[in-house]
Amino acid sequence: DAKTTQPPSMDCAEGRAANLPCNHSTISGNEYVYWYRQIHSQGPQYIIHGLKNNETNEMASLIITEDRKSSTLILPHATLRDTAVYYCIVRPGTGKLIFGQGTTLQVKP
Amino acid sequence: DAGVTQSPTHLIKTRGQHVTLRCSPISGHKSVSWYQQVLGQGPQFIFQYYEKEERGRGNFPDRFSARQFPNYSSELNVNALLLGDSALYLCASSPDRGQNIQYFGAGTRLSVL
Repeated sequence: DAKTTQPPSMDCAEGRAANLPCNHSTISGNEYVYWYRQIHSQGPQYIIHGLKNNETNEMASLIITEDRKSSTLILPHATLRDTAVYYCIVRPGTGKLIFGQGTTLQVKP
Repeated sequence: DAGVTQSPTHLIKTRGQHVTLRCSPISGHKSVSWYQQVLGQGPQFIFQYYEKEERGRGNFPDRFSARQFPNYSSELNVNALLLGDSALYLCASSPDRGQNIQYFGAGTRLSVL
């Protein structure tokens, strides 16, 4: 599975957009980009995934660069409840999830 | 609908003992995976079961074992507990073998003294 690189921490003001970057320069053609988050004392929660096109759902948007070597998760209007560790995972769409250290997002009032 | 449920929520054991953790997947989900999360780290894959058969195993010693029952619930067993086994143990379920999207329970917090 491709390795991902994320900043260890980020801050965001409540109500503003949170943009979380992820580098995955060794991604293969059949590998998807998945995002999960883990709120303190809870299990990870699926957010969104994509292959090469930008994706949007009720939680977030996923922007993948044309060369697919990086992506950005966008939370359009961050709330205090979005404070969590966000994991970017690259995998072929099946099988186990390999979690890295993730990005700790702190949403501040 | 109920999500993935795990029991117990918390557990304290001493070194050398064994432990059994339980997981009930979302109704209709046939795949269950187990992960270990040590404090400050991301979850690490232990096992995947689908249709009662082991379909994947992570880099964990043979002290770790699991099984899946006909109703798709699952147990994780750990023998000869070590201090380093202290962690949050997470169960995830998925409707298919490929586990396209996995849904996690809140986990079992195991402390080994």
